[in-house]
Amino acid sequence: EIVLTQSPATLSLSPGERATLSCRASQSITSYLAWYQQKPGQAPRLLIYDATNRAAGIPARFSGSGSGTDFTLTISSLEPEDFALYLCLQRSGWPHTFGGGTKVEIK
Amino acid sequence: QVQLQESGPGLVKPSETLSLTCTVSGGSISGYYWSWIRQSPGKGLEWIGYVHYTGSTDFNPSLRSRVTISRDSSKNQFSLKVKSVTAADTALYYCARSGDDSRGYPDYWGQGALVTVSS
Repeated sequence: EIVLTQSPATLSLSPGERATLSCRASQSITSYLAWYQQKPGQAPRLLIYDATNRAAGIPARFSGSGSGTDFTLTISSLEPEDFALYLCLQRSGWPHTFGGGTKVEIK
Repeated sequence: QVQLQESGPGLVKPSETLSLTCTVSGGSISGYYWSWIRQSPGKGLEWIGYVHYTGSTDFNPSLRSRVTISRDSSKNQFSLKVKSVTAADTALYYCARSGDDSRGYPDYWGQGALVTVSS
């Protein structure tokens, strides 16, 4: 099973700041990685698929990069609605697996 | 707009079978993969398995011996059964859709159904 490790566990930032979130895979997953945003009481929302592609309706301030084992989600300038839990998901190997998440909280 | 809605008992006794149904509205089951994914504080998000609209299935090896997933195209529904449950199966259970237009990643999710395993 491919293990995804997200860091940091918590990121404390202010609105307007840049957020950089990491997801590292235990083996190469090429570009088969997605990023999700989850708010309390809600299901995850697809932000980025195949490491770099924004899903429909996702603002341009969200961007993804990386391939192989190291991936990054960048939020260029945090809006108030961006404070949430962020999860990565790989679909390179079965079972598909999620990372443990990074919580972006207001500083 | 596609919507998914989970339904089923919120409380299941240990050793019994957990049963959930996901009803899809605003679109057809055809052409997509339909998955069950659960979330618990201890284990995070865990992909349980999926059923393709053709009926083919696959399951997480950690749960394969206890899980069944099926679909009923006439009702636009798919279902999950987990037998011999324990407290470790207590979780929020989501149903979700994946397809070519989302490159295989779940893009539509239900709101989640909380299932507690307790006597």
